[in-house]
Amino acid sequence: KAGVTQTPRYLIKTRGQQVTLSCSPISGHRSVSWYQQTPGQGLQFLFEYFSETQRNKGNFPGRFSGRQFSNSRSEMNVSTLELGDSALYLCASSETRTSGSWSYNEQFFGPGTRLTVL
Amino acid sequence: AQTVTQSQPEMSVQEAETVTLSCTYDTSESDYYLFWYKQPPSRQMILVIRQEAYKQQNATENRFSVNFQKAAKSFSLKISDSQLGDAAMYFCAYRPIKETSGSRLTFGEGTQLTVNP
Repeated sequence: KAGVTQTPRYLIKTRGQQVTLSCSPISGHRSVSWYQQTPGQGLQFLFEYFSETQRNKGNFPGRFSGRQFSNSRSEMNVSTLELGDSALYLCASSETRTSGSWSYNEQFFGPGTRLTVL
Repeated sequence: AQTVTQSQPEMSVQEAETVTLSCTYDTSESDYYLFWYKQPPSRQMILVIRQEAYKQQNATENRFSVNFQKAAKSFSLKISDSQLGDAAMYFCAYRPIKETSGSRLTFGEGTQLTVNP
């Protein structure tokens, strides 16, 4: 199977603009999670979508939003960009595997989108 | 809230030697998963090893093994016979098992591992 793909890989924007990032999960995966990675804050969870519904949300301002389509592809949008939004944005898709009485979501990460805000 | 702490920002090891990366975590949950992820310069996050909290036996994957101490909330990664390709940033991560938590991972700060030839 093809891995998780993210587009674009690199993006340069200016303050005040908005941006949309895309993530295509592994075929059959219904869960897509987004993370922001910065040198100062490390890896922080943004949100997770499962079957087109937001299942979980991190502690980010409302400028950060996302959605998931019926084919499980997901987009995240950042409006009114700030310099601090410069980061690597990682997407991860997962499926549920069952081992005995336990279910487990193995997550697979995409290569990320490097966003630079000038 | 759950937290994950990696107290070693950088570590180095000689090729073929063994190195141990430390991780501690804090949670009030009794059932959870712990992970070690590797992020090489390509930035692609790769799962190295996984540990289920309900398992007393430490997980192993080839040259990688963990020392899971649930009472101490400690989860260290041992890399044996280190190879140049092991050089990367290593992240410890936590995820509760309960369904309402979904797939959300909480990551530590990371440890940059250098492998010297």
